[in-house]
Amino acid sequence: QSVLTQPPSASGTPGQRVTIACSGSNSNIGSNYVYWYRQLPGAAPKLLIYRNNQRPSGVPDRFSGSKSGTSASLAISGLRSEDEADYYCAAWDDSLSTYVFGTGTKVTVL
Amino acid sequence: QLQLQESGPGLVKPSETLSLTCTVSGVSISRSNYYGGWIRQPPGKGLEWIASIYYSGHTYYNPSLKSRVTISADTSKNQFSLKLNSVTAADTAVYYCAHGITIFGVAISTTQFDSWGQGTLVTVSS
Repeated sequence: QSVLTQPPSASGTPGQRVTIACSGSNSNIGSNYVYWYRQLPGAAPKLLIYRNNQRPSGVPDRFSGSKSGTSASLAISGLRSEDEADYYCAAWDDSLSTYVFGTGTKVTVL
Repeated sequence: QLQLQESGPGLVKPSETLSLTCTVSGVSISRSNYYGGWIRQPPGKGLEWIASIYYSGHTYYNPSLKSRVTISADTSKNQFSLKLNSVTAADTAVYYCAHGITIFGVAISTTQFDSWGQGTLVTVSS
């Protein structure tokens, strides 16, 4: 059972905006950076957002991250069929001394 | 271009030791601001961080696995490795190695895995 909670699923039609929430606590999101990873079916995860809201080179600006208090969110605008994947938030947890991943959210493009 | 490749047995017997190696190509891991890590994913489940190593020597372990895990690096071979002993069926998973670059020095709380290997399935079964 992860300490970072995400909704199990999210969906939208092409072109829509989808937001994924990640709920944590003071010991993880509240005091450390949040990271987001995307895992396409059958593939390894890929870093999507680092340090709360930064995009690695090559990640389109359709993806944006934000953080407020003990929660974070990932927004995908202009949803595309290739965005169908599992999305995980992650952060260091000071109390557990562990890098924790969220429970994961499966995004479906209708 | 940085690439990572996991290697090791795909089948391990219960109570034995799981040993995996990650070979990094495209960059020398001897730089002190680089680090490597192992993450696993049981079939159909989420991601679990196992351990990280800064190539300068610092190691960090998931407390839930710490008693069974060793992570090490051989910078001369541009590789880092994982050993997990006393395995059970619960250790069956896809094991990923990953690589990160720090601008904060040795700061485990800022861990981010910029590059990942393709993953290797390890099954624990007799």
